[in-house]
Amino acid sequence: ETGVTQSPTHLIKTRGQQVTLRCSSQSGHNTVSWYQQALGQGPQFIFQYYREEENGRGNFPPRFSGLQFPNYSSELNVNALELDDSALYLCASSRIEATEAFFGQGTRLTVV
Amino acid sequence: GDSVTQMEGPVTLSEEAFLTINCTYTATGYPSLFWYVQYPGEGLQLLLKATKADDKGSNKGFEATYRKETTSFHLEKGSVQVSDSAVYFCALDKAGGTSYGKLTFGQGTILTVHP
Repeated sequence: ETGVTQSPTHLIKTRGQQVTLRCSSQSGHNTVSWYQQALGQGPQFIFQYYREEENGRGNFPPRFSGLQFPNYSSELNVNALELDDSALYLCASSRIEATEAFFGQGTRLTVV
Repeated sequence: GDSVTQMEGPVTLSEEAFLTINCTYTATGYPSLFWYVQYPGEGLQLLLKATKADDKGSNKGFEATYRKETTSFHLEKGSVQVSDSAVYFCALDKAGGTSYGKLTFGQGTILTVHP
């Protein structure tokens, strides 16, 4: 059973640019959720995808968007990057009916 | 809205000491409750969970009991080890039955255990 993998592990972007983060879900999982973890804080729920449709969204603006593909991999896109977007972005995969989510190691985004 | 509050950290203990990390929550309905652990440079790992009132979750010597009357889910371990040093997050998931995976986290508690 493969785990949840995210890419890239680190990246640096300039304010105003766009970024795409990728997540490969664990085998057999049909749901992916994305979280933003600012330094020293707990993760905050961005949104969840199930069967390629958005299935719930946290308090994040529309410039945060996502996709889920038929193989259950996923992307998080952020447009018009702001300095406050600097954070660790975590992807978690699960089965929609199961209580346990499995997290990837995250992508550290720095916006300068 | 839903929220989770953890005790202020960081917590520093000597090896074999008793650990308690307090967690309280605010939510309507009947959330599931979780403790996740984050080791340096890694993602989150589920430590234990409880899905209904009075359930006790346990794993690797850690325990937490879902107390609906006090809206709490305190984490305890009788004898900590240096390898337990990490950040601990309490979390809730309010979706029930058919749609899990939208977690609300506390701010995290840094635990450092000295030999």
